[in-house]
Amino acid sequence: GAVVSQHPSRVICKSGTSVKIECRSLDFQATTMFWYRQFPKQSLMLMATSNEGSKATYEQGVEKDKFLINHASLTLSTLTVTSAHPEDSSFYICSATKNTEAFFGQGTRLTVV
Amino acid sequence: DQQVKQNSPSLSVQEGRISILNCDYTNSMFDYFLWYKKYPAEGPTFLISISSIKDKNEDGRFTVFLNKSAKHLSLHIVPSQPGDSAVYFCAASRTDSWGKLQFGAGTQVVVTP
Repeated sequence: GAVVSQHPSRVICKSGTSVKIECRSLDFQATTMFWYRQFPKQSLMLMATSNEGSKATYEQGVEKDKFLINHASLTLSTLTVTSAHPEDSSFYICSATKNTEAFFGQGTRLTVV
Repeated sequence: DQQVKQNSPSLSVQEGRISILNCDYTNSMFDYFLWYKKYPAEGPTFLISISSIKDKNEDGRFTVFLNKSAKHLSLHIVPSQPGDSAVYFCAASRTDSWGKLQFGAGTQVVVTP
């Protein structure tokens, strides 16, 4: 099946710094990618839709100025967590669709200390 | 507002027997449903999906049943194997916003020898 690769798999950063997470579709082009967040023992929650060449659309309650999304090419979307705080510590996952399937990256465990 | 619900947080089943996972949804606009398997600190792995125009889809050991009138779907795994032990997520989407998935809370499946 199609492969979506996410990097890094885990990152620890200091409070107040910014962290960038990359999501790549390795063998197909994705005009749209999606970013999710999963807190411990909870479900995956959609944060935003990343659109190639245009602005991302954010779900209600997600701060667009805090979670910057850039989708500069058909195979790469990035999520930057700006001025990270401990409450931003979570598991972030991206996905991309190909035909009738939605493929997910491996996820990024972000820990803000 | 949780639009996709998995009311059983856990399920224990003996190897070789059938695992039945249930999922309910509230939004009648959902017309595509997916099941994913997930291990901790990894992205979800696609298992099987079903369109609202069908009531059953089968792929190997996995069968998904959809009851639109009841807004209910289920995943049957038979026979269950120890490697099936994981968290299973039900997800729903709308064709007009394909890729934006609403996930249930997940069901932890443990297959015992």
